[in-house]
Parts: sequence; C-alpha cells; structure tokens
Amino acid sequence: DTAVSQTPKYLVTQMGNDKSIKCEQNLGHDTMYWYKQDSKKFLKIMFSYNNKELIINETVPNRFSPKSPDKAHLNLHINSLELGDSAVYFCASSLGPTSPLHFGNGTRLTVT
Amino acid sequence: GIQVEQSPPDLILQEGANSTLRCNFSDSVNNLQWFHQNPWGQLINLFYIPSGTKQNGRLSATTVATERYSLLYISSSQTTDSGVYFCAVESNYGQNFVFGPGTRLSVLP
Repeated sequence: DTAVSQTPKYLVTQMGNDKSIKCEQNLGHDTMYWYKQDSKKFLKIMFSYNNKELIINETVPNRFSPKSPDKAHLNLHINSLELGDSAVYFCASSLGPTSPLHFGNGTRLTVT
Repeated sequence: GIQVEQSPPDLILQEGANSTLRCNFSDSVNNLQWFHQNPWGQLINLFYIPSGTKQNGRLSATTVATERYSLLYISSSQTTDSGVYFCAVESNYGQNFVFGPGTRLSVLP
C-alpha cells in the first residue's frame, strides 16, 4: 500500500551513461515533483507536473528530462551523467497547490 | 524568491529532554510543512501547518504567518527522534515548496 514509490533505491553508474528513475503514486494526486538532495542535505525542486503538463522547471540542465506517461507516474531520465549528478533524488506528489507533499523513499544515484 | 532559515543548525539532546526548532521565512506563505528525515533517509511528513497550532503525540507545531515563523516542539525526546528536521514553505506567489537547510537533531540514550 505504498503511497509514492520510486525505483531503483540505489543506482551506481559511470559517467556518460543514460539512466532513468521511475516514480509512481497511488494517492490520486494531480501534481508530482522531483527533488534533488545534495551531500549537504539541501533539498531543491527540479520539476513539477500537473495533469501531465510541466508547470515549473528550475535551473536544471537539459540533460534531465521528466516524462509522465499518465497522472500516476513521473519518471526522471538523465542523459550523459556527470560526477556532479551524484545525489539522492526524491519523487513527491500532492493534490495541488496548498496541499501537503508526500515523498517517496528516494533514489541514491552515484556516478563514478 | 522566498528565503527559509532554520535554527539551530545542530542540536544534541539527552533522551527525555524537550526542544524547540524554529523556521523563519521571508515572505507570505500559503503552505508550510514540517518533515523529519530519519537516519535511513526517509522524509516523513510531520505537520501541514500554514497557520495555527497542531499537536500529534509528543510533537506539536505552531505557525504565526503574520510574523513569518513556525516552531516545532518535541517533548520527552526519544532516540528515534534523531535525524534532520526540515521546514518547507510555498509562497503566496506559487513558487512551489522551498526547503530550509534543516536542523540536525541527535538524541542520546
């Protein structure tokens, strides 16, 4: 009965590779997000999707692309991985503005 | 954009002690949440509290939106309370959630 689930939990890959992280929510929420947590624990929003439309894109390199096949899924695809992409990536969802955020358990990405 | 500060940055408590964590924000908000990130990295939603006071067991939170701050109270702390506590706010201009830098809490047995 996991509300927001992400896979994989750990991802180790080499520089230059392309990888994807999947996220699914079963809460019926309209908005989904991707956050990045760096080594100092700072959490910063990367993307949010509302009804399959991108509504915000912070200063994220275009190597990162969110893909939403339906309202319950928001996957994160990363091209040409760099060392600096190593971080924990969290998926989250909410009913919309002014509603609580619910997070997945995170994906620890390590680029070697 | 909106700025979020949290204090103290680090806090060490003996089991059973009480503590208060503070979150200051620079602009009007329509959404505020407190999260606990446990030692396993999970982000647990503690309170959704854009204004007023809420209590949940040993935890309570108060947000005074007009003065742009929120407080998280932990009473009778337990070792399982250890982790990082984040405040996150969404401004009235719909900026999406902006997180504070967190307070790292260590509760010693």
